[in-house]
Amino acid sequence: NAGVMQNPRHLVRRRGQEARLRCSPMKGHSHVYWYRQLPEEGLKFMVYLQKENIIDESGMPKERFSAEFPKEGPSILRIQQVVRGDSAAYFCASSNMHGDTQYFGPGTRLTVL
Amino acid sequence: KNEVEQSPQNLTAQEGEFITINCSYSVGISALHWLQQHPGGGIVSLFMLSSGKKKHGRLIATINIQEKHSSLHITASHPRDSAVYICAVTAASKLTFGTGTRLQVTL
Repeated sequence: NAGVMQNPRHLVRRRGQEARLRCSPMKGHSHVYWYRQLPEEGLKFMVYLQKENIIDESGMPKERFSAEFPKEGPSILRIQQVVRGDSAAYFCASSNMHGDTQYFGPGTRLTVL
Repeated sequence: KNEVEQSPQNLTAQEGEFITINCSYSVGISALHWLQQHPGGGIVSLFMLSSGKKKHGRLIATINIQEKHSSLHITASHPRDSAVYICAVTAASKLTFGTGTRLQVTL
């Protein structure tokens, strides 16, 4: 029973490029959460999605960031025109029901040159 | 002031010692979580609790809702317990995290 999968594990982008981070939740889980961990800082909530719906995006920066969780396929966190301050570890988690235990993926470490 | 405060920030212990990590929060919550983040960066959920006490192996988590306080205890600590331990609370349907306690267990 595969856990939460994220890819790529490491992503290097130059300033101004786009970054696409993918998250496949655990089998049977329909709730996905994205978190960001800046260097030497704690985890911060970004967005909560269910299939085809954004439920809470109060932690997402207003510009350049977007997230989706389509009916088929993984959840995608998209960062347009990346800047150095976007360098961080991005973690995805999934749960069976909202409020239930969340299972974390291994994270994607984004480095912006 | 952070909504979730952990102490200590850093902790060094010798193998076999009993360890306690504390977490205080200032908001109403529906659940409290303890997470473990290893040096490689992966995050594992250890406990989710909303009252009382839970035990898993050498790990024990307690919560006092009235005092808005939780503790994570590790009995008979081992070097493989070395990690960052993170307290998080579910409030307003989202997780809010403490900054973590970095634990180093030496031989």
